[in-house]
Amino acid sequence: NAGVTQTPKFQVLKTGQSMTLQCAQDMNHNSMYWYRQDPGMGLRLIYYSASEGTTDKGEVPNGYNVSRLNKREFSLRLESAAPSQTSVYFCASSEGYRDEQYFGPGTRLTVT
Amino acid sequence: RKEVEQDPGPFNVPEGATVAFNCTYSNSASQSFFWYRQDCRKEPKLLMSVYSSGNEDGRFTAQLNRASQYISLLIRDSKLSDSATYLCVVSNQAGTALIFGKGTTLSVSS
Repeated sequence: NAGVTQTPKFQVLKTGQSMTLQCAQDMNHNSMYWYRQDPGMGLRLIYYSASEGTTDKGEVPNGYNVSRLNKREFSLRLESAAPSQTSVYFCASSEGYRDEQYFGPGTRLTVT
Repeated sequence: RKEVEQDPGPFNVPEGATVAFNCTYSNSASQSFFWYRQDCRKEPKLLMSVYSSGNEDGRFTAQLNRASQYISLLIRDSKLSDSATYLCVVSNQAGTALIFGKGTTLSVSS
């Protein structure tokens, strides 16, 4: 079992460029999440998907969109990247939304 | 009151020491509680769930006090490999997501 996988591991974008971060899990989990982590700020929830076919905004959704492609995959899209989106992005999954979450290795994104 | 609060530390202790972290949470309706560990530049990993009756896993003991709304983590006989940031995690009031504390940094030295 690979658990939760994320691609890419590193990315540098110029302001205004777009990109999609990919996440997949092989644990047959129902719920999936996207977080960003910045120094001194802790993990902040961007979007989550409680089950296949549903998505909801988290604490910091502005500037992002998500797609729950199927039960395994949950992608995060930056339509027009800004320097404020420079961060480490983690994807996570869980059986249900009250259960322990398992994280992917993260994507380190720099926007110049 | 912030949803989940932790003392950021750092806690600097020698090998073999016992160290305790506390975490307070604001939502009295929270139902799920966890401790995660995060190593530098790595993803958070589940350390243990926290149950009302308290639970132990080797050198680690977690306790929950619902009346006072705090969670604790006790690490006995600290090892160098315990050096990491420990995240307190609590479900939100609606029960729809988990809220992560900012973490407490532990540094164990020889």
